[in-house]
Amino acid sequence: DVKVTQSSRYLVKRTGEKVFLECVQDMDHENMFWYRQDPGLGLRLIYFSYDVKMKEKGDIPEGYSVSREKKERFSLILESASTNQTSMYLCASIPIPNTEAFFGQGTRLTVV
Amino acid sequence: SQQGEEDPQALSIQEGENATMNCSYKTSINNLQWYRQNSGRGLVHLILIRSNEREKHSGRLRVTLDTSKKSSSLLITASRAADTASYFCATFQGGSEKLVFGKGTKLTVNP
Repeated sequence: DVKVTQSSRYLVKRTGEKVFLECVQDMDHENMFWYRQDPGLGLRLIYFSYDVKMKEKGDIPEGYSVSREKKERFSLILESASTNQTSMYLCASIPIPNTEAFFGQGTRLTVV
Repeated sequence: SQQGEEDPQALSIQEGENATMNCSYKTSINNLQWYRQNSGRGLVHLILIRSNEREKHSGRLRVTLDTSKKSSSLLITASRAADTASYFCATFQGGSEKLVFGKGTKLTVNP
């Protein structure tokens, strides 16, 4: 079974902190994605990566950056956390383009 | 921008009834996918329909795709309380590698 693991289920951080959300997949998938999910807004794409060290902006990249140094790991970085970044963050991976995505369990981040 | 838009936003039915959810999208696609999300969890892939397919079945799920109208529907037959979840459609935007989702339909199946 494909496993996509997010480092934390729940996280509480203070405004202004630098926050790292980690995502690891164990199936040599090419593409990885970070989404945030807010009530009434569905899933919005923050960033995605189609190869090691390659990344592309999604629809809402402002305030975020990403890192993919190894194929299995895709990190989302909040450079200076703000309260409007309180959300559920979901990581996904895809073996090759145009195939199904596998999701992690989600990280519920609260910024206070 | 979100590619898919589901309709209705919320749906409440009785066990045993059928549930139909619709999705509209904006750009050309290679395929369209449907996912399910139980409350507060990650999404689980249900079914993928290719752009050259019109209908696909998987168990109690039936998906249709109309590329001329840029729309799809997901039908769950003989629904169960365990089908209570949110359902999302997703596409690779304009044939790119960018996977985008709609806002979802929240389905409640009452026992």
